[in-house]
Amino acid sequence: SQQGEEDPQALSIQEGENATMNCSYKTSINNLQWYRQNSGRGLVHLILIRSNEREKHSGRLRVTLDTSKKSSSLLITASRAADTASYFCATVTNAGKSTFGDGTTLTVKP
Amino acid sequence: DSGVTQTPKHLITATGQRVTLRCSPRSGDLSVYWYQQSLDQGLQFLIQYYNGEERAKGNILERFSAQQFPDLHSELNLSSLELGDSALYFCASSATGTKLNEQFFGPGTRLTVL
Repeated sequence: SQQGEEDPQALSIQEGENATMNCSYKTSINNLQWYRQNSGRGLVHLILIRSNEREKHSGRLRVTLDTSKKSSSLLITASRAADTASYFCATVTNAGKSTFGDGTTLTVKP
Repeated sequence: DSGVTQTPKHLITATGQRVTLRCSPRSGDLSVYWYQQSLDQGLQFLIQYYNGEERAKGNILERFSAQQFPDLHSELNLSSLELGDSALYFCASSATGTKLNEQFFGPGTRLTVL
């Protein structure tokens, strides 16, 4: 099974609301990264959080990491229709092996 | 624009054929990674090259091979194509030889096998 598994698989919200996506993993990691993918396009790196960090912010994005629970969450605040995309977490081990989850499909309705 | 380029954008071919996908990494990046994305398998890591040498192997089939050239561009060769090989193929690059840093993805090549 995938190292990183996102939850929920799909999320639909209204513009202006916050969107929260979760990622769970099984083995020890060096860092965890979140990526965004618009339909049929390449993935775009959003944020990287290292295993010794608990929270990171970038604009309207907030990522948390709980290594004791082996989970991470991505929060998008004040969502916009342009945030509609699939969001993937990628876990990276100390050996440099990375595994992508199946993604969460976010739909933001105007 | 990530700075990673891939050609062609679309490729339609028949079963049993062979195709070559090309990737140019961001300027200065030494690592190139290849991924396959299909509806039923998600995003699967295939193989990584660093400065011309194979660094890591993922779920790459024996019918597939890749190489990285001295100018650091990379090619992914897919042979004896099957219907199930239809997918988006992405290449990504990073500055270092490990995946400890972010990867920059290209726009992908959509392969359709008929």
